[in-house]
Amino acid sequence: SQELEQSPQSLIVQEGKNLTINCTSSKTLYGLYWYKQKYGEGLIFLMMLQKGGEEKSHEKITAKLDEKKQQSSLHITASQPSHAGIYLCGAGGTQGGSEKLVFGKGTKLTVNP
Amino acid sequence: EAQVTQNPRYLITVTGKKLTVTCSQNMNHEYMSWYRQDPGLGLRQIYYSMNVEVTDKGDVPEGYKVSRKEKRNFPLILESPSPNQTSLYFCASSLRGSRGYTFGSGTRLTVV
Repeated sequence: SQELEQSPQSLIVQEGKNLTINCTSSKTLYGLYWYKQKYGEGLIFLMMLQKGGEEKSHEKITAKLDEKKQQSSLHITASQPSHAGIYLCGAGGTQGGSEKLVFGKGTKLTVNP
Repeated sequence: EAQVTQNPRYLITVTGKKLTVTCSQNMNHEYMSWYRQDPGLGLRQIYYSMNVEVTDKGDVPEGYKVSRKEKRNFPLILESPSPNQTSLYFCASSLRGSRGYTFGSGTRLTVV
């Protein structure tokens, strides 16, 4: 079965700093999803990537999927306290569908003012 | 407002007492799924459903049951809860071929 490894497990940054979170898959990614979770709350969808080399941005968050479709990165520019939370990557099945989504264990981000 | 609603948000129960966690979505989504989240283990899929009367096991289905009699509802049933089922549970739904799940706010279950 597909496994996703996220790094780092936790990250503490000063407000205004840039940061990157990585997600590496044991198999080719047919659909890669990034979610954000506030502690103990539900997950909020951020972005979905499907094509090798694809890059998407939303406000100050940019996600990329490498050409080989086995690794994705999430980059936050000029971090703010509102970016704090747990970031999870999820991968769909062989068809890229979301019905059988598996997740990485998450990266806990703390942004100090 | 488009959403996935889970109830209850918090539940403390005793070992062996049957319980149901309800999940309802108002977006006419075909796919629905249940996950549990545990420290150090992340999110793990329990069951999922691709449409009415179609359900399948996820990665950790033991001790759980589900049903999908209506498109909008996907209850999670614990026939005989045990302490190792203490966890944070999430229901989620998705439109076929779409960009991923919409998650509920979670149900924190404690089995003593």
